[in-house]
Amino acid sequence: QKEVEQNSGPLSVPEGAIASLNCTYSDRGSQSFFWYRQYSGKSPELIMFIYSNGDKEDGRFTAQLNKASQYVSLLIRDSQPSDSATYLCAVEDGTGGFKTIFGAGTRLFVKA
Amino acid sequence: KAGVTQTPRYLIKTRGQQVTLSCSPISGHRSVSWYQQTPGQGLQFLFEYFSETQRNKGNFPGRFSGRQFSNSRSEMNVSTLELGDSALYLCASGEGGLYGYTFGSGTRLTVV
Repeated sequence: QKEVEQNSGPLSVPEGAIASLNCTYSDRGSQSFFWYRQYSGKSPELIMFIYSNGDKEDGRFTAQLNKASQYVSLLIRDSQPSDSATYLCAVEDGTGGFKTIFGAGTRLFVKA
Repeated sequence: KAGVTQTPRYLIKTRGQQVTLSCSPISGHRSVSWYQQTPGQGLQFLFEYFSETQRNKGNFPGRFSGRQFSNSRSEMNVSTLELGDSALYLCASGEGGLYGYTFGSGTRLTVV
């Protein structure tokens, strides 16, 4: 059973701080990795995707990938109360099975 | 650009009945995936369709089925509903999964 593991949280950070969200995955063949944000009562929204080892930055968000360690992370700089949501790590099935596996999500609270 | 449209938004059904949910993807997106979301299990993959072909199916009983039409619109059907089928059913469309998916607002199914 291929798995994507996340700390369920909640993770609480003060406004302006860096929030660090982590994810590990079991399928060594996975090539595509995603972070989705889900506000309470809403559907998931894609915020980042990454394919290569290293960092990928988009505004206040940085995704980090380490395939050797099977580890993906998301950093949110200058966290805002509006960033309070559940963050879902997702991994594309490594067998080319056209299936995205989601972690259970980490709840983030940004305190004003 | 119109988003992913799911109908109906809410549905209440009785045990033993069947239900059909509809999803219209973003124009140009040929990949449609379906997920079941519950508080206890998170997002669980149901199936993925691309150009009318089911390319992958999750670990759900045969009561769950789907199809995709030539215009990429998709439907999923659940027969012989059980109480445990109560969930939010999310449809997501994309360009084959490489760049992630855009989710619809979901159909909230309650089985009584």
